[in-house]
Amino acid sequence: TQLLEQSPQFLSIQEGENLTVYCNSSSVFSSLQWYRQEPGEGPVLLVTVVTGGEVKKLKRLTFQFGDARKDSSLHITAAQPGDTGLYLCAGGFKTIFGAGTRLFVKA
Amino acid sequence: EAQVTQNPRYLITVTGKKLTVTCSQNMNHEYMSWYRQDPGLGLRQIYYSMNVEVTDKGDVPEGYKVSRKEKRNFPLILESPSPNQTSLYFCASSKWGEQEARSTQYFGPGTRLLVL
Repeated sequence: TQLLEQSPQFLSIQEGENLTVYCNSSSVFSSLQWYRQEPGEGPVLLVTVVTGGEVKKLKRLTFQFGDARKDSSLHITAAQPGDTGLYLCAGGFKTIFGAGTRLFVKA
Repeated sequence: EAQVTQNPRYLITVTGKKLTVTCSQNMNHEYMSWYRQDPGLGLRQIYYSMNVEVTDKGDVPEGYKVSRKEKRNFPLILESPSPNQTSLYFCASSKWGEQEARSTQYFGPGTRLLVL
């Protein structure tokens, strides 16, 4: 059974700080996706990483797929209050999700 | 506007009273799925459908039924709801094809269900 473990589960930081969220598995994934979910809404796709070692950037967000395609990370530079939300990684044929990292950025 | 709609958005019911949550998408997507979201557990897939009349179980199908008679609709049926089905439910859709693993899933706004 494929599992995705995210860490940390909760993160509270000051505006301007940097942070990294991790998504780990013992299984190999053909691709991994990162979603962001805000209260009262469904998850929205941020990025899909496909190739081992791949790095994708979305403004202040940097996503990396591990060389062995078993893990991924999300790095946010100079976090802003607007980055507050639940960040989810997902992957697999039936699309399994990690439990999520709840990020709170204080102004 | 491309979207996935769910109804109702909020529902309070009692144990054993059958209910249906509707899901509809206007993007002509082949793939549709239902998830439930519980604190600390993330989203878990209940059922999915790769096309009309093609459905399969996800990770937590017990107590749920689905049907896919039309491409745009994918209702979730709880024949005899129980309190442990109290949760936040999401419907999602995406294209299905050669690059299915990379297709963007579009999620509905969610249905919050409370079973007393």
